Formats: sequence, C-alpha cells, structure tokens
Amino acid sequence: SQKIEQNSEALNIQEGKTATLTCNYTNYSPAYLQWYRQDPGRGPVFLLLIRENEKEKRKERLKVTFDTTLKQSLFHITASQPADSATYLCALDMPGVNSGYSTLTFGKGTMLLVSP
Amino acid sequence: DAGITQSPRHKVTETGTPVTLRCHQTENHRYMYWYRQDPGHGLRLIHYSYGVKDTDKGEVSDGYSVSRSKTEDFLLTLESATSSQTSVYFCATWGQHNQPQHFGDGTRLSIL
Repeated sequence: SQKIEQNSEALNIQEGKTATLTCNYTNYSPAYLQWYRQDPGRGPVFLLLIRENEKEKRKERLKVTFDTTLKQSLFHITASQPADSATYLCALDMPGVNSGYSTLTFGKGTMLLVSP
Repeated sequence: DAGITQSPRHKVTETGTPVTLRCHQTENHRYMYWYRQDPGHGLRLIHYSYGVKDTDKGEVSDGYSVSRSKTEDFLLTLESATSSQTSVYFCATWGQHNQPQHFGDGTRLSIL
C-alpha cells in the first residue's frame, strides 16, 4: 500500500531563514502532489500543486520540487516569518478502492515553528 | 473558498448512540470526502462520494456509513458510536482532480 513519510519531528528555525520540509513516498507514482497548511483548530488550506512532469513550482516565498525518481518532494519557505508557523501536509492522488476515482492520501504532516 | 459548512462543530455523546455529522457545500463540487484526524495518524479517508448517491469506502470505513442525496450535502453516520471514534472529522470537496481540495473547519467529536 501507499506510504507517505514526512519529518515526524517539529522543525524549529529562526525568522528569516529558509525552511525545508520533506515528503517521501513509496509504492506508487502519483500524477501530482499537493502541499497544504493546517493551523490549530482549522482545516487544511491548499498551498501548491506540482505535476509529475514538473520539476519545480514557485508561489511567492514558497517553492516545491518533485523528484519522481527519488519519490520525493521538498517544500521550501524562504525568508520565513513567525506567521509561517503551522503544520504542513503533503498529499498524493490515488485511485479509490472500488470506484477508480481519485482520492488524496495525506502524510502525517510536519510542524514548523519559526521563532523571532 | 468552496463554502463548506460542517455541523455540529462540537459534539459529546455516549458510547452506543447514533451520531450524524453534516457537510454542506455551496460550490457545486462533484466530489466530497470525509476524513478523520488523530494524533500520530494524520488525515485518513473514511468515505467519499463521486456523485449524488455514489459513494466509496476509504482507508478507515469500518463503523461508518455515508449518504449523499443531493450535490450540496454529504452526511457521515456512526450507527453505534465507540470511544475509538473520538476524533476530529473533516469534510472536503473537490471540483476537479487536478485542483485543490477545500476543507471545512472540522467537527470535534468526543464519545464517552
């Protein structure tokens, strides 16, 4: 079955530094990968989507890379700010159990803490 | 935003009682999903719907049933709640599969 691994330990960095979060997966080749942000007591909020034929995607201070050979995605936040503190989830598309329609399988998430 | 409303937002109930959670969307998205989120497990898919009256099981479907009688509403039912079903439940919608999923703010369910 599909296995998705994200850094289980919280990542602590100083304001202004670049945060790098890792998402590794096995046993599947997804057509695309998504990253979400989740704040305490709230639902996940979409950040970026990267397709299997894309190496890199950027949005403002965010950058995602996708290496289908290594089965890994890296998520970077440059010039990090305390407001970036949250849990970040990666998700892969997979076909449903019976229907064949896509579902998303999520990693457990990595908590990022940015200190002033 | 996809305009997703989950109700109730919080519920405390006793073991053995039936519980129904409701998800309402205003964006006319075809696909709807129920997840549960627990410490150490992350988000896990319970059931999903790919159209009115069309549903399928997810990773952790035992003990849960769903119904979707119209596009905007997706109900999750625990027929006889157990303490292991204490969790935070999230509903999500998906317009197209190469687009983001949109999530509600969750229902915190405690079963005593």
